[in-house]
Amino acid sequence: QKEVEQDPGPLSVPEGAIVSLNCTYSNSAFQYFMWYRQYSRKGPELLMYTYSSGNKEDGRFTAQVDKSSKYISLFIRDSQPSDSATYLCAMSSSGNTPLVFGKGTRLSVIA
Amino acid sequence: GAGVSQSPSNKVTEKGKDVELRCDPISGHTALYWYRQSLGQGLEFLIYFQGNSAPDKSGLPSDRFSAERTGGSVSTLTIQRTQQEDSAVYLCASSPGGRDQLFFGSGTQLSVL
Repeated sequence: QKEVEQDPGPLSVPEGAIVSLNCTYSNSAFQYFMWYRQYSRKGPELLMYTYSSGNKEDGRFTAQVDKSSKYISLFIRDSQPSDSATYLCAMSSSGNTPLVFGKGTRLSVIA
Repeated sequence: GAGVSQSPSNKVTEKGKDVELRCDPISGHTALYWYRQSLGQGLEFLIYFQGNSAPDKSGLPSDRFSAERTGGSVSTLTIQRTQQEDSAVYLCASSPGGRDQLFFGSGTQLSVL
């Protein structure tokens, strides 16, 4: 079992839809959870950052972490064509350990 | 301000040749990372530099891979005797100090023929 599992998609939704992206993980030591967005031929950029369990909201984006289930989610409300990108979850444990990334989910929002 | 800069953006080489990939991190960032992204795969950690500490080389896939960081700034990733399985996008990232908020460059697309 890989440390971080993420459905690669592709996921195609109409403009205005609510999008749900998810990752599961196996390492209970993970405490820092991130979502990165990657446009084609670009490097990933940090979208959301959450420490431990709970929710975090930023505009149209909401990140949720459920450590008991080892499950994290990213919700996008009122999705826009400009949200079309690959979304990667990433996580790390406390201390000096590198970020572990999921494979990314490719999202297309159709106008 | 400038972001993380990587060069070249594309590199095509023949199997068995050596290649060097360059990364200019954001000024003032003490931490620098190399990741590899293959088609259909996630980002694979390669190596991490933090200040003057010994680098974390735990992700390097073989001894054909090496990296250095000169003067705490520019970094070069070297792949010797390239193989076709080395074909991937090599991404560099820097961070102000911690391991959480990484700022990525656009990557070098390496193709080994």
